[in-house]
Amino acid sequence: RKEVEQDPGPFNVPEGATVAFNCTYSNSASQSFFWYRQDCRKEPKLLMSVYSSGNEDGRFTAQLNRASQYISLLIRDSKLSDSATYLCVVLGRDSGAGSYQLTFGKGTKLSVIP
Amino acid sequence: SAVISQKPSRDICQRGTSLTIQCQVDSQVTMMFWYRQQPGQSLTLIATANQGSEATYESGFVIDKFPISRPNLTFSTLTVSNMSPEDSSIYLCSGREYNEQFFGPGTRLTVL
Repeated sequence: RKEVEQDPGPFNVPEGATVAFNCTYSNSASQSFFWYRQDCRKEPKLLMSVYSSGNEDGRFTAQLNRASQYISLLIRDSKLSDSATYLCVVLGRDSGAGSYQLTFGKGTKLSVIP
Repeated sequence: SAVISQKPSRDICQRGTSLTIQCQVDSQVTMMFWYRQQPGQSLTLIATANQGSEATYESGFVIDKFPISRPNLTFSTLTVSNMSPEDSSIYLCSGREYNEQFFGPGTRLTVL
């Protein structure tokens, strides 16, 4: 079974702190990688895709290491509004003939404290 | 990305009954999916809803328990049949277009 493993959390950090989330995946044939954000009692929403070269979107930086099958998300200058659960998500397929599916990590809960 | 709506948003049902959840996308999408998210857990794929044909179910999920329809590229239904308390969960509809996948707000189901 293809799995995505994340830091167990929860992470409780003060406003302005930098926080990093790590994720590993077991399917070496995975094609695409994402971080989703899920607020309490809401649906997951795409935060950002993760590219091999690493990518940045404002205070958020995502890194991918295909050789180590490792993904990270760095949040700088944390805001209260960043409080949510962050899901590491991998797109891949179980077999050569199967369709591509998303596999979700269990998520890491972040609480940013005033 | 497209916007997905689901009905009902929540329901409380008696065991042994069935509930049909509707999913409407505001634009055509190539692929639609149904997920389940149990308390404190991540999302688990139930099935891929195929337009005009039978859904493709993941291991552990069967058509008799979770019949799915997808009559066109913007609409799908999931039925949770002969419910038991173990079916209490959030059921999420999802659509994928190109490389982006997005989710409906979910249906929170409680089975007594």
